[in-house]
Formats: sequence, structure tokens, C-alpha cells
Amino acid sequence: AQKITQTQPGMFVQEKEAVTLDCTYDTSDQSYGLFWYKQPSSGEMIFLIYQGSYDEQNATEGRYSLNFQKARKSANLVISASQLGDSAMYFCAMSLLSGSARQLTFGSGTQLTVLP
Amino acid sequence: EADIYQTPRYLVIGTGKKITLECSQTMGHDKMYWYQQDPGMELHLIHYSYGVNSTEKGDLSSESTVSRIRTEHFPLTLESARPSHTSQYLCASSEIAGFGTEAFFGQGTRLTVV
Repeated sequence: AQKITQTQPGMFVQEKEAVTLDCTYDTSDQSYGLFWYKQPSSGEMIFLIYQGSYDEQNATEGRYSLNFQKARKSANLVISASQLGDSAMYFCAMSLLSGSARQLTFGSGTQLTVLP
Repeated sequence: EADIYQTPRYLVIGTGKKITLECSQTMGHDKMYWYQQDPGMELHLIHYSYGVNSTEKGDLSSESTVSRIRTEHFPLTLESARPSHTSQYLCASSEIAGFGTEAFFGQGTRLTVV
């Protein structure tokens, strides 16, 4: 079974600074996808970025980049130039290709607070 | 912008009542999911569906049931609500092909059973 670990329950960052949110995963499968979602206090889940296990380049989407280190099984999210609107809960998730379910397994989340 | 809708957004209901949480998507996605999330905690998959007439239980045991009679509609039902069912319920959908496809989430239903 796959497992996602986010070891930072809460993080603080100064506005305009960069911040890294940690995520490690555990799976014996070779084919998988890694996702980051943002959940504001309103409750919806907003997709941020995706990295496939066979992708050689780190994914980037605007101010978001994913630092993918396959050997270490880590998929950290880097947010550059933090904004007050980035304050939210952030979830790392994984989806396997094998098996029938192919559903997302989520970590416990990191609450990010951006300070003015 | 994702076209997946959940109603109601908030529901406070008494113990023993039957409730149905609605979820609809207009993207034509075959795969749909229900997740349960306690405040500030991770999401746990409770049900999923590959398409019409397909429903499966997820990793977290739940007393709820689901149905998938139409592609766009995936309602969740609790026959007799209890305080332990108090939680947020998130519906999501995705395309079946490939695992790089993101799941689109609804805004969630916050259920409180008193």
C-alpha cells in the first residue's frame, strides 16, 4: 500500500519569500503520479502541480515548482514569492498506475501561513 | 474552472435522519470519488466509481452508500445519521485514462449531526 508523509503540520513564511513544503512517499510501484493540492479555509481542493514518476524534469507551474528526488522518494513543493493569498492547507497526494483503484492517497497536510 | 458541484454546502441534521449528499459534474468524467475529511486532517477515500453502475468501497470504512445511475451524478446517502458522521465530505471526478490526470474537487459538504 502507498503512503504519503508530510512532517510539517504548520509553516510560517514572510510575504515575498520562498517556502518549501516537504512530502515523502512510500510505494513499491514504479509508475505513479505525485500531486499537490491547496485547500483554503473555504474547503475546496485546488490542484496546483503534478509530477509523473518517469518525468525527468521537475514540474513547474507559475510560482509553484516540485522538487522531485526519486531516489529519496521525496516530492517537495516550492512556492516562490509567497503572497498573503497563499495561506492555506497544502496536501501532497499520490496516485498509482497499477491496481484497479488508481485513486489519490493524501498526506496529512501542512498549514501554511504567510505573514505580511 | 472545474465543473463539479456539491449540495448542500452546509447541513446540520438530527440523529437518525436519512440524508443524501449530492454531487454532479459536467465534464463527462467516468471516474468519481467521495472523500471524508475531519477538520485540518487528511482526506480518506470512502467510495469511488468507474462509471455507470460501478461503485466500490474505499480505504476508510463508511456506513454511507453511493449510487451511479448517470455518469454525471454520484450521490452519497446515510440511512441514519449519527454524531460520528460529522465531517466534511468532498466529491471529486477525473478521467480514467492515465494517472497524470488531476482530480477535480467540489466545494465540499460540511455535515454536522446533532
